[in-house]
Amino acid sequence: EAGVTQFPSHSVIEKGQTVTLRCDPISGHDNLYWYRRVMGKEIKFLLHFVKESKQDESGMPNNRFLAERTGGTYSTLKVQPAELEDSGVYFCASSQGRNQPQHFGDGTRLSIL
Amino acid sequence: RKEVEQDPGPFNVPEGATVAFNCTYSNSASQSFFWYRQDCRKEPKLLMSVYSSGNEDGRFTAQLNRASQYISLLIRDSKLSDSATYLCVVNSKGSYIPTFGRGTSLIVHP
Repeated sequence: EAGVTQFPSHSVIEKGQTVTLRCDPISGHDNLYWYRRVMGKEIKFLLHFVKESKQDESGMPNNRFLAERTGGTYSTLKVQPAELEDSGVYFCASSQGRNQPQHFGDGTRLSIL
Repeated sequence: RKEVEQDPGPFNVPEGATVAFNCTYSNSASQSFFWYRQDCRKEPKLLMSVYSSGNEDGRFTAQLNRASQYISLLIRDSKLSDSATYLCVVNSKGSYIPTFGRGTSLIVHP
């Protein structure tokens, strides 16, 4: 069974540019989560999809972040325009049920210069 | 007070030692508990769920103390490969959003 895959693994962009991160969850997992870890801090929740619906986006920092999951399969997280404080590792995770353990992707390391 | 607190460590132990970590949580309505392991610059990986009655998986034992609001992870016969950061994750009842601790660093040396 393929795990959660994320693309790209690394991204280095300049402040003001746009970046789109992609996450492919484990097949059959309706629940998809985005998280961010800023250096030295704990992993923070960003948002949660059930299929194509956003269940909770209370962790999204601001309206420069846009997440989509059209068709309920893969998800994208777009940052536009990127700011310096957006740097960090963005993890995606998926689970079968809402209260079940989540399986994480390798993460995308995002650096804003 | 943070929702989920862990001693960041590092815990520096020799091979073969037994080591235990605790994780405290502030929300008494918390319902689900997990331990994840994260290696340097890698993704978190589920180590084990924590059940009310306590559970064991090989050298690893997890326990839940609802009265005192903490969970624990015990590692027996530590191996060099156990060196990693151990993350405590808590889900609150009615919320499916997990809260992560900052992790406890374990270093097992020869």
